[in-house]
Amino acid sequence: KNEVEQSPQNLTAQEGEFITINCSYSVGISALHWLQQHPGGGIVSLFMLSSGKKKHGRLIATINIQEKHSSLHITASHPRDSAVYICAVRKGQNFVFGPGTRLSVLP
Amino acid sequence: DAGVIQSPRHEVTEMGQEVTLRCKPISGHNSLFWYRQTMMRGLELLIYFNNNVPIDDSGMPEDRFSAKMPNASFSTLKIQPSEPRDSAVYFCASSLSIAQETQYFGPGTRLLVL
Repeated sequence: KNEVEQSPQNLTAQEGEFITINCSYSVGISALHWLQQHPGGGIVSLFMLSSGKKKHGRLIATINIQEKHSSLHITASHPRDSAVYICAVRKGQNFVFGPGTRLSVLP
Repeated sequence: DAGVIQSPRHEVTEMGQEVTLRCKPISGHNSLFWYRQTMMRGLELLIYFNNNVPIDDSGMPEDRFSAKMPNASFSTLKIQPSEPRDSAVYFCASSLSIAQETQYFGPGTRLLVL
């Protein structure tokens, strides 16, 4: 079993839809990151969470430490949100990455 | 700020050759990370530095890989000798500090070893 899992693996949505991507982990962590990788390959760090919730524009990230689960929400999705979203957890001195969720938002 | 700078952006080489990837972190950032991304394994952390000192190199795949950070503004990742299975995108990232800070990624170096 992978230490970090994401669901769904692939997601196709219509423009304007509310999107949720989930991340579950099985190890103790000190922080969780959400990354966005654009079709061109560039990686952008979206959020770093250790508890609670963070919001940036149309993006919201939440984490439940007890349940070892985090969600990334996108409101009013747009085709430019199409990307791979990667969950990464900080485990001690190391980082463990999820397999990513590929999101396609259709106009 | 120019962001994290990596060079070269693309590298094609033949197996057995030495490959050197370079990274310039964002000025003022004290932590630097090297990652590798492949289709099969996704993103993997290879090594990271704090204040120019390697903290954790447990992700370095084998002795063919080495990384240095001679000063706060420059780091190298060297593969010698290179093998076809080293073909991947190598990302460098930096952050203000090790402790729970957002990381800023460079554009990556796409390496192809023939």
